Amino acid sequence: AQTVTQSQPEMSVQEAETVTLSCTYDTSESDYYLFWYKQPPSRQMILVIRQEAYKQQNATENRFSVNFQKAAKSFSLKISDSQLGDAAMYFCAYRHNDMRFGAGTRLTVKP
Amino acid sequence: DSGVTQTPKHLITATGQRVTLRCSPRSGDLSVYWYQQSLDQGLQFLIQYYNGEERAKGNILERFSAQQFPDLHSELNLSSLELGDSALYFCASSADSGGAGREQFFGPGTRLTVL
Repeated sequence: AQTVTQSQPEMSVQEAETVTLSCTYDTSESDYYLFWYKQPPSRQMILVIRQEAYKQQNATENRFSVNFQKAAKSFSLKISDSQLGDAAMYFCAYRHNDMRFGAGTRLTVKP
Repeated sequence: DSGVTQTPKHLITATGQRVTLRCSPRSGDLSVYWYQQSLDQGLQFLIQYYNGEERAKGNILERFSAQQFPDLHSELNLSSLELGDSALYFCASSADSGGAGREQFFGPGTRLTVL
């Protein structure tokens, strides 16, 4: 079974600084997709970034980037120039067929 | 706004009762997924329907059932409700049938409280 582990229940970052959220996963598949979703206090699930496992190049979306290490089965999210609006729960997710989510990391941004 | 709608937004009921949650996917999306999120927990995949047929099953209890109708909206039926069923239930939709990297678009969720 595929599992997704987020080892940091909570993280804190100063506004304008950079923070990295960790995620590891376990799979025997070679073709899959990885995602980071953001869940603000409104509880809406919002896609932050997506990575195809067959692509070696790390995905980037504005201030958000990933460090995808396929051999290590690691998929971390880096948030640069953190803003107050980045405060939320962040979920790492793996998809081969159905989507599997990690337990989440609560990010606090300090002004 | 993701384009996925869910009704109702809030539902309060008693143990032993039965409720129905409704989801309308984004226009053009054929797949609907149901997830359960208990307090401060991650999302647990329950079930997926693709174009009216069950496609994948996750950790869905036997007391729960779902279906997808010809107009592609979906309903999740929860029966013999227990206190532990209190959670936020999300519906998501995607254009693919599964196994691909298409983004899943999430609805705003239905908060179920069982008293």
